[in-house]
Amino acid sequence: DGGITQSPKYLFRKEGQNVTLSCEQNLNHDAMYWYRQDPGQGLRLIYYSQIVNDFQKGDIAEGYSVSREKKESFPLTVTSAQKNPTAFYLCASREGQFGTGELFFGEGSRLTVL
Amino acid sequence: QKEVEQNSGPLSVPEGAIASLNCTYSDRVSQSFFWYRQYSGKSPELIMSIYSNGDKEDGRFTAQLNKASQYVSLLIRDSQPSDSATYLCAVSHSGYSTLTFGKGTMLLVSP
Repeated sequence: DGGITQSPKYLFRKEGQNVTLSCEQNLNHDAMYWYRQDPGQGLRLIYYSQIVNDFQKGDIAEGYSVSREKKESFPLTVTSAQKNPTAFYLCASREGQFGTGELFFGEGSRLTVL
Repeated sequence: QKEVEQNSGPLSVPEGAIASLNCTYSDRVSQSFFWYRQYSGKSPELIMSIYSNGDKEDGRFTAQLNKASQYVSLLIRDSQPSDSATYLCAVSHSGYSTLTFGKGTMLLVSP
């Protein structure tokens, strides 16, 4: 079955540590996205990538970094510079670089800073 | 700044009633519109997409789009307790590959 796999589902981090969230898709989609969701809030865009080896900052990129070395993979690193990293992180993909269709979501990764 | 506004709710309806969820957007050249359902602790799942003015029906769900008024709505007929969730409105903008999401409306369907 085609889909998006995020790992880990739950992650605990001590303050000052960097953590990397994995996102892999086998839908052959060009575009991939990372969103953050806080309780009672909508989705806010962190980074997105329309093509391999290229990515763009979203609305809340500070304290995060990404890479897109393969079409299937778009990992997100939450760095120690992110002051409030506890949140639900969602990876998504979309067909075409400038597609008009829907986003497909992974199951999400919940990060808690201890 | 592209904005998508939704009433946060909760919207409470009895089982079997029609639930009406509304969304307004600020970017006049928006081209694609989506309704996602999100259960607590889960990721969003697509309910409906709509691209042109008018109504689009799929089972118990009807999406309505009015580009002149910059308004999109979702009607849920014969609401069921399993419909209780947060409904997110999302808008795609011409020339961009990103979607902007509203904060969502929580729907509660009581038996």
